[in-house]
Amino acid sequence: DAGVTQSPTHLIKTRGQQVTLRCSPKSGHDTVSWYQQALGQGPQFIFQYYEEEERQRGNFPDRFSGHQFPNYSSELNVNALLLGDSALYLCASSPGHNYGYTFGSGTRLTVV
Amino acid sequence: QQQVKQSPQSLIVQKGGIPIINCAYENTAFDYFPWYQQFPGKGPALLIAIRPDVSEKKEGRFTISFNKSAKQFSLHIMDSQPGDSATYFCAASRPRGKLIFGQGTELSVKP
Repeated sequence: DAGVTQSPTHLIKTRGQQVTLRCSPKSGHDTVSWYQQALGQGPQFIFQYYEEEERQRGNFPDRFSGHQFPNYSSELNVNALLLGDSALYLCASSPGHNYGYTFGSGTRLTVV
Repeated sequence: QQQVKQSPQSLIVQKGGIPIINCAYENTAFDYFPWYQQFPGKGPALLIAIRPDVSEKKEGRFTISFNKSAKQFSLHIMDSQPGDSATYFCAASRPRGKLIFGQGTELSVKP
């Protein structure tokens, strides 16, 4: 049974560019959350998608946006990249609004 | 009130020792308290979790102790092994809410 799959694993972008990260949730999970983890820090919640709608949002600017598809997969988009956006971006899936979040291995984004 | 404070920041123990990591929270609406283990280059993996109606939970070598009145909870790792060397995060969540993570504890278990 595949867990949470994220792509790509690593990415290097230039300041001002836009990036799209992708996530396939664990089988049976329909809720996807995105987290940003800076080096040496705990993950910070970006937003959560359920039934193709953004249900909760953390303290992140509008440059961060997302989407959930009918098959429950999700995308995270970041516009106008800043150096400070360099981080590990984690996707977590869960069954409905239940607990039991499963994390993917993340996408390491470097902005230069 | 949304913060979860974790200590210590780093911890070194000998093989067989019992490292203890502590967390404190403020928001009494939190009702789910998981611990995650993270290896370099990997995402966090759920180790064990507890709900506030239970004071202790054991799963294998991992034990959570929970003190609702003090708003504190801790992770004990029995008979620690070098393979347990990783970063550990506590977290807390409200019903249907986001996970609020602590700052992490880097554990090193020496042979």
